[in-house]
Amino acid sequence: NAGVTQTPKFRVLKTGQSMTLLCAQDMNHEYMYWYRQDPGMGLRLIHYSVGEGTTAKGEVPDGYNVSRLKKQNFLLGLESAAPSQTSVYFCASRTGPAVGGEETQYFGPGTRLLVL
Amino acid sequence: GESVGLHLPTLSVQEGDNSIINCAYSNSASDYFIWYKQESGKGPQFIIDIRSNMDKRQGQRVTVLLNKTVKHLSLQIAATQPGDSAVYFCAENKRNTGNQFYFGTGTSLTVIP
Repeated sequence: NAGVTQTPKFRVLKTGQSMTLLCAQDMNHEYMYWYRQDPGMGLRLIHYSVGEGTTAKGEVPDGYNVSRLKKQNFLLGLESAAPSQTSVYFCASRTGPAVGGEETQYFGPGTRLLVL
Repeated sequence: GESVGLHLPTLSVQEGDNSIINCAYSNSASDYFIWYKQESGKGPQFIIDIRSNMDKRQGQRVTVLLNKTVKHLSLQIAATQPGDSAVYFCAENKRNTGNQFYFGTGTSLTVIP
């Protein structure tokens, strides 16, 4: 049981380049999330998904797109990278709503992205 | 937007002492709270959670206290160890915002041997 995995671990991009970050989970979780973490700030939600084929915008969605074609995978795309997107990106997943049950998110190890 | 805030950005404690990390939240509609630990270069790791129908919950060496009157959350770590050195985040879940979690900026805990 690998939990939540992210690829790549680290990437350097030039301004205007595109890339896709992959998140995979093997816990059969319904909900998946993409966050970015910047120095001195808490995790900020970019996009999330409450099930296969569904996505929704979070707090800071501009410049990013996502897809959830398979339940276990959640992709984060940057179509035209900008220096402001230099950050550490975390994926998380959790079970669907369960009355009285644990609703915590399980996080991946992160992807460090540098945009020059 | 609303945000979860922490009273202190850094905390240093002696090994063996108890640690208390505080968190304030702004939305009285939040009904689920989580504490995470994040070590350098790693993703956040779940420590303990609490629902709004509880005032206190205990885990192994950790206790979370919830004061809904003043919208305050605290994490107590007993007999703090060097391995507890990390950044600690609180997060709140507001059910009326589509199952989104909002995170505080974090408190950096340093344990002095």
